[in-house]
Order: sequence, then structure tokens, then C-alpha cells
Amino acid sequence: EIVLTQSPDTLSLSPGERATLSCRASQSVSRSYLGWYQQKPGQTPRLLIYGASSRATGIPDRFSGSGSGTDFTLTISRLEPGDFAVYFCHYYGTSLLTFGGGTKVEI
Amino acid sequence: EGQLVESGGGVVRPGGSLRLSCAGSGFTFEDHGMNWVRQAPGKGLEWVSGINRNGGSIGYADSVKGRFTISRDNAKNSLYLQMNSLRAEDTGFYHCARVTTGDYRDPFDFWGQGTLVTVSS
Repeated sequence: EIVLTQSPDTLSLSPGERATLSCRASQSVSRSYLGWYQQKPGQTPRLLIYGASSRATGIPDRFSGSGSGTDFTLTISRLEPGDFAVYFCHYYGTSLLTFGGGTKVEI
Repeated sequence: EGQLVESGGGVVRPGGSLRLSCAGSGFTFEDHGMNWVRQAPGKGLEWVSGINRNGGSIGYADSVKGRFTISRDNAKNSLYLQMNSLRAEDTGFYHCARVTTGDYRDPFDFWGQGTLVTVSS
């Protein structure tokens, strides 16, 4: 089973700053099956990135994904007020899907 | 885009059973893989089970294998999760989630609001 470990647990930043979120896999995985979701309080998760670096429909270009092997990164280039949320990485390349524990981006 | 509405949650004693349902509307249900994902209050996401578009490919998390059964009825645009031998650690909101493709092992493009399952004596 692949385990995804996200860091940091919490990221305290201000609007306009750059956010860098990490997702580390317990073994090398195909980047084709790595995704990122955003979840705001009281809402369901929203798909941001799939295939490690492809933006989902309607996602602004300030969100970008990168990485390969065991290390993946979600970058938010300039935080806007609506970006303060919890972010989860997700691996869907095996019969056992898995999510990371999440990173909270707070003001 | 469509809608997913879960039902069937409730309070159940350890060892008990529940059957969750997820009704899809506004899209061609039979074209999409589906998954169940749970979230304990204030906690992260845990994948529970997935099923492809025709039910021929199914997966379960190790934590629920042998206790939970996923199924679907495309004629009724519905997804189900039969949960037996429930434990306290099964407590949480159970969301159904639609997959972008017919497989269950692809990104989830939208989610239902969830139904709350509480396992407590």
C-alpha cells in the first residue's frame, strides 16, 4: 500500500504570498496518477490538479503541480483570500487508492 | 455538472449494519466510475471503496475489506455501500464521488455532501 505524507501540517501565510505544499509517497509512483484537491470548511473537496501537473477545468493558473518519483509539490503562486483551505494529495494508480493527511493553509 | 445525494446514514451499535445509497442525477451515471470516501469530523479523507462503470472492477481499503460491499444499479442511477460488522473507527461522513472516467482509479471530479455514520454503544 502506498502511503502519502503531506507537509507541513499547517502553513501560515498572507494574501499575495507563495504557498508550497509537499506530498511524499512511501515508494516511487507514476506521476500520471497523482492529484490534488482543495477543501474549504463545510464544502466537499474540489479537484485542482491531476496527473501531477494538469489543472482541472476552471482552475486558475496560479495553481500549479510538479514532481515525480516520490516527491510532489502543489504551488499557489499568489494566495488569494479564497485559497485559505485544506489541501489533500491523492494517488489513484493502484487498486488501493490513497489520500495524504492534508495541509491547512491559513492566514 | 450533476448532483450526488447520499442517504442511509445513522447511529448504529458496534457490530451492526447499515446500507448507504448515493443517487446520481444530471449526468450519464453509467459512464462513470464511482467511489466512497469517508471523513471523520475534523479529520482527513480516507478512501473506502470504488467500482468501475459496469461493476466489473471493484476495490476496497484494507480497513473495510471483508466487511463492506460496494455495488451499483445503473438503471436506477444509484451507488450503494453495504456496511457490516461496524466498528467505532468507521464513524464519519461518507461521501460518494464521481470519477472523470469509467474506471474507479482516476480523479474524482465531484462529490456528494455526505451522510453521517456514527458507530457507538
